[in-house]
This record gives sequence, structure tokens and C-alpha cells, in this order.
Amino acid sequence: DQQVKQNSPSLSVQEGRISILNCDYTNSMFDYFLWYKKYPAEGPTFLISISSIKDKNEDGRFTVFLNKSAKHLSLHIVPSQPGDSAVYFCAASPYNNNDMRFGAGTRLTVKP
Amino acid sequence: DVKVTQSSRYLVKRTGEKVFLECVQDMDHENMFWYRQDPGLGLRLIYFSYDVKMKEKGDIPEGYSVSREKKERFSLILESASTNQTSMYLCASSLTAPTGELFFGEGSRLTVL
Repeated sequence: DQQVKQNSPSLSVQEGRISILNCDYTNSMFDYFLWYKKYPAEGPTFLISISSIKDKNEDGRFTVFLNKSAKHLSLHIVPSQPGDSAVYFCAASPYNNNDMRFGAGTRLTVKP
Repeated sequence: DVKVTQSSRYLVKRTGEKVFLECVQDMDHENMFWYRQDPGLGLRLIYFSYDVKMKEKGDIPEGYSVSREKKERFSLILESASTNQTSMYLCASSLTAPTGELFFGEGSRLTVL
């Protein structure tokens, strides 16, 4: 049973527009949430994170929103660029615990 | 610069063979992880280790074992490879919590014939 779910396997957006990737989780013990980006033939790389005491974290073009009551988080990329085309994984772990769980990933394609 | 190195990028093995996947990190991280990545299933945790000689089962430990004799090295062992273990295997490391970002290696693609 997957504790972290990304229900959209793929997303396609036009360059310059907003990309919104969604993630849901079931384990109420999760306190720390991360997004990773993965290019083909490479390992995932950390993108942005948020702890449960916040509802928003911003880093340049990337913003993560957390809705704890709904057990839902989202990643917004504005403006989207062709180089953002990759698979994005949502991940979660309990605070003070490195037992991290990942979603199935969403393949983002940004068209020029 | 942070570095997690997996010994083999591509391996082809036969059913029943013993397979070793090696992972080394140079960041003095306490924690190390093995995940496998399959289409539609994302990254699933096989085993992790938070200290030398310590190991914890993840979500899918069946058919795998691990070894951590030194802090920098974490090995994944398939005692008798099967075709359903054909996958991309990813090693990662992190500092201890409270919030430990994972650093991943480039992955080892294993094909079991």
C-alpha cells in the first residue's frame, strides 16, 4: 500500500506557463515533505522541501504548498522551462526519522 | 562535492545467480538506503541502515539482503536473482534527522534473464 501517491503519471505544459504537480499521502506521521527531480539515466536530485509547520515554501521558480488537513501537497513551477522536463517524485518522512517514502512520479514535459 | 557512487551502471545476470550491488558515499553520512525504481511504482524502499552493522527492512525486503561493514559502504545482495528483480536500483545516503535530504547515486540497471 503506497503511503505517498502521485495520481498523474504525466503532465504537459507550454513553456512560460505554470506547472502544478500534485501529491497525496496517507500516513499522518509524515512531517517532512520533499520533491525530487529525475532526468533519464541519472539519480534523483533534491529540489525543494517543506516541514509540516509551514504551508508554503518558495525557492525561485519553485513553490511547494502543503495542506495538512487534506494530506495534500503540490509543487508549482512558474514560469516553466523546457529544461524542467523530467520526472518529479514526491517524498515524505516522519520528523526525526530518515525512513523516506516516495510516490510513483509524474513525468513533466514542457513544450517550447 | 557530494558523491554517492554505485559500482555498476548496467548488469546482466542469469536466474539463480548471486548479485552484489555496491554503493559508496564520501560525505560521512550516517544513513544509507537502497531503493528500486519501477514504472508506475516509483521508488520503493528495500532496506536502509542508520549505522554501521545496523539495518532495517523497508517495504519490499523479500529476496534481498544488505551489508554495512563500514560507514561509507552499503551493499545490496540478491542471493538468488529472479526475473522479477529486473529493475533500476538506486542507492542514497543522508545525514541523521531531523531532516535528512537524500543524495542519490546514478543507479544500477539490473537485468535478470
